[in-house]
Amino acid sequence: DQQVKQNSPSLSVQEGRISILNCDYTNSMFDYFLWYKKYPAEGPTFLISISSIKDKNEDGRFTVFLNKSAKHLSLHIVPSQPGDSAVYFCAAGRYSGAGSYQLTFGKGTKLSVIP
Amino acid sequence: KAGVTQTPRYLIKTRGQQVTLSCSPISGHRSVSWYQQTPGQGLQFLFEYFSETQRNKGNFPGRFSGRQFSNSRSEMNVSTLELGDSALYLCASSRDGTNEKLFFGSGTQLSVL
Repeated sequence: DQQVKQNSPSLSVQEGRISILNCDYTNSMFDYFLWYKKYPAEGPTFLISISSIKDKNEDGRFTVFLNKSAKHLSLHIVPSQPGDSAVYFCAAGRYSGAGSYQLTFGKGTKLSVIP
Repeated sequence: KAGVTQTPRYLIKTRGQQVTLSCSPISGHRSVSWYQQTPGQGLQFLFEYFSETQRNKGNFPGRFSGRQFSNSRSEMNVSTLELGDSALYLCASSRDGTNEKLFFGSGTQLSVL
């Protein structure tokens, strides 16, 4: 049962244009959402997060949108740069009751930004 | 400040063997989580340790185990290796222990032949 889904395995975008990466989740208990970026041969790095009490969070070129009623999360990158080419993982967190969030990750979307 | 360090970087084992992977979190981080990454399944949560205690556990068989030491360093062990255990094993640490923001190591690439 895949609780966090990234339905697009890959995405190609021209440099300077907007990249939109999508993520859907099924568990309404998730209340914290994150995006991680992963380059080959490196571990994932934190990109941006959003709490369920918000519907938008911005950090420079990156904006995350949350639609709770649709259980949908998206990451917008504007403008896209070749260095943004990486695998992007969506993650959803549920408070485990043991003092921490337990994160569930999607399978990732490989973004290629074409110069 | 040094990042999360995982050793070894690459490992080749044969079916039936066991393996131990090591993770040193960022200095001062007390929570360590382990994930398995495979091409078809993405990142799957194995377990999480905090102050030497397993705090959360994913849906993996008992062949997968771990522990955390008093200096927050962690090890994970896989016994009776199967071909399907071939994967990138990632360790992540959290500064405040809430796991709201994880810092990942580069992983150990395990190949089971």
